[in-house]
Amino acid sequence: DGGITQSPKYLFRKEGQNVTLSCEQNLNHDAMYWYRQDPGQGLRLIYYSQIVNDFQKGDIAEGYSVSREKKESFPLTVTSAQKNPTAFYLCASRRAGGPRTGELFFGEGSRLTVL
Amino acid sequence: QQQVKQSPQSLIVQKGGISIINCAYENTAFDYFPWYQQFPGKGPALLIAIRPDVSEKKEGRFTISFNKSAKQFSLHIMDSQPGDSATYFCAASIGGSRLTFGEGTQLTVNP
Repeated sequence: DGGITQSPKYLFRKEGQNVTLSCEQNLNHDAMYWYRQDPGQGLRLIYYSQIVNDFQKGDIAEGYSVSREKKESFPLTVTSAQKNPTAFYLCASRRAGGPRTGELFFGEGSRLTVL
Repeated sequence: QQQVKQSPQSLIVQKGGISIINCAYENTAFDYFPWYQQFPGKGPALLIAIRPDVSEKKEGRFTISFNKSAKQFSLHIMDSQPGDSATYFCAASIGGSRLTFGEGTQLTVNP
């Protein structure tokens, strides 16, 4: 089955530690996205990538980093510089072109808790 | 300019009733307006979407109404069912990329 796989589903981190969230897709989509979800604030864009080896900052990129070395993979690192990292993180992908080009396909999310 | 404002924050409806969620936007360059549905612990999934060249789109019990002059669009869920209980997000984008989401509406449909 095609889809997006995020891991881990739950993650606990001590303050001052970096943590990397994995996102893999087998949909052959060109674009990939990371969103952060907090109660009452909707989904806010952290980073996105339209092609391999290229990515752009979203609205809340400070304290995060990404890489896009392969089309299938778009890992997100939450660094110690991120002041409020506890949140639900969602990865998504989108096919460029075609009748449903705007549709985002989401993974099931990773819930990060900083202790 | 990039904001999408959504209301209400929460909504309780009786089974069989109509659920209505509203969104407003500022950027007139937006040309794609989807609604996503999210169940607890899951990622959102596309429910229905509209482009500004039409004023209404219906898929089953779900209808988007679009008012270009008022820069508003809304989701109507007819004959609401307990299985529709979820969080709903409106969104907008230019050309389908980089969606800007509303704050979300938590819908509860009572049996």
